[in-house]
Amino acid sequence: SQQGEEDPQALSIQEGENATMNCSYKTSINNLQWYRQNSGRGLVHLILIRSNEREKHSGRLRVTLDTSKKSSSLLITASRAADTASYFCAPYNAGNNRKLIWGLGTSLAVNP
Amino acid sequence: EPEVTQTPSHQVTQMGQEVILRCVPISNHLYFYWYRQILGQKVEFLVSFYNNEISEKSEIFDDQFSVERPDGSNFTLKIRSTKLEDSAMYFCASIPRVKMNTEAFFGQGTRLTVV
Repeated sequence: SQQGEEDPQALSIQEGENATMNCSYKTSINNLQWYRQNSGRGLVHLILIRSNEREKHSGRLRVTLDTSKKSSSLLITASRAADTASYFCAPYNAGNNRKLIWGLGTSLAVNP
Repeated sequence: EPEVTQTPSHQVTQMGQEVILRCVPISNHLYFYWYRQILGQKVEFLVSFYNNEISEKSEIFDDQFSVERPDGSNFTLKIRSTKLEDSAMYFCASIPRVKMNTEAFFGQGTRLTVV
């Protein structure tokens, strides 16, 4: 299945600490996308890493991709209380009608 | 910055009633989607729409569901006879033309409550 599986399912850290979330998937991909969802709200795109990239940065976000292991990680550095949300990875294959298949996500709680 | 707009943000309806959820995708996008998320569960793909027709639909998207793009801007999801289990957050998304490595743009969602 193209679904991404996030790990851990829940993560609780203190403000200022780093948060690392992992994603595994099973099929070939064109890219892998990370999204964020605040409770009861919409899905916000965070970062996209292409299949030929190994690492990408955006502000306090760092994403890695290992296509040989079919895994990705999202690191949020110097976390803030406002980072509290659910985080989802979405492996993307353009041959799959460009749809995204979602896992349960990682629920991140950043405590002030 | 262009965005996907969904209306209403929250709709309460009685079981058996028809509802229409509306979405205005980003204007130059070509691929359109509906997803839903039942509270506490995964986001689930419902249907994709391209070139004015359904390109793929999931098992959830049964005969009670339909989609339309009536005027080239709005993209609607209709549920003909709502059931309690249709209560969920419904998300519309769109993807630009031809670019493979681009993110999907999501609306803020419509929370549907069937009572």
